[in-house]
Amino acid sequence: DAKTTQPPSMDCAEGRAANLPCNHSTISGNEYVYWYRQIHSQGPQYIIHGLKNNETNEMASLIITEDRKSSTLILPHATLRDTAVYYCIVRVGTNAGKSTFGDGTTLTVKP
Amino acid sequence: DAGITQSPRHKVTETGTPVTLRCHQTENHRYMYWYRQDPGHGLRLIHYSYGVKDTDKGEVSDGYSVSRSKTEDFLLTLESATSSQTSVYFCATRRELGGYTFGSGTRLTVV
Repeated sequence: DAKTTQPPSMDCAEGRAANLPCNHSTISGNEYVYWYRQIHSQGPQYIIHGLKNNETNEMASLIITEDRKSSTLILPHATLRDTAVYYCIVRVGTNAGKSTFGDGTTLTVKP
Repeated sequence: DAGITQSPRHKVTETGTPVTLRCHQTENHRYMYWYRQDPGHGLRLIHYSYGVKDTDKGEVSDGYSVSRSKTEDFLLTLESATSSQTSVYFCATRRELGGYTFGSGTRLTVV
């Protein structure tokens, strides 16, 4: 599975959009981009995933560049409860998926 | 997540003793994983399973073994616990193209 690079930390004002970048320049054509978040000491929570088209669900939007070498997770109206560590991983969709979670981005939403 | 139960939630054990952690799922997911997470670090894959009796090693498998005798249960055994295995252990499951679903974690302390 391709490696990803994320900034270690970001701040965002409450009510504003949080845009979290992820670089995956070595991604292969059959690898998906997945985003998770981990709030405090809880188990990570799945947010969204995509292959090449932009995706949106009730939690977030995922924007993948045309060359698929990077992506951005967008939380449209961040709240204090969105403070968490956000992980971006890439993996092939249909194999066992030995996914590597890096250190992620610590997002702090400030009032 | 209600579909994944990890037991025990907390355990303190002595160095040199064997320890077994249990992960039980009601999702009927094919893939199951064991990760460990240490302070300030992301998740590291210990072992994973792609079906009943089909398992493979992850990046930090030394000192650990696993078994999966039925779809719903995935056991992680520390053959002879060491202080370096003090950690929080997360179990996860995944269906074919979906994201991971994580359990609430087991906090293990080896004294």
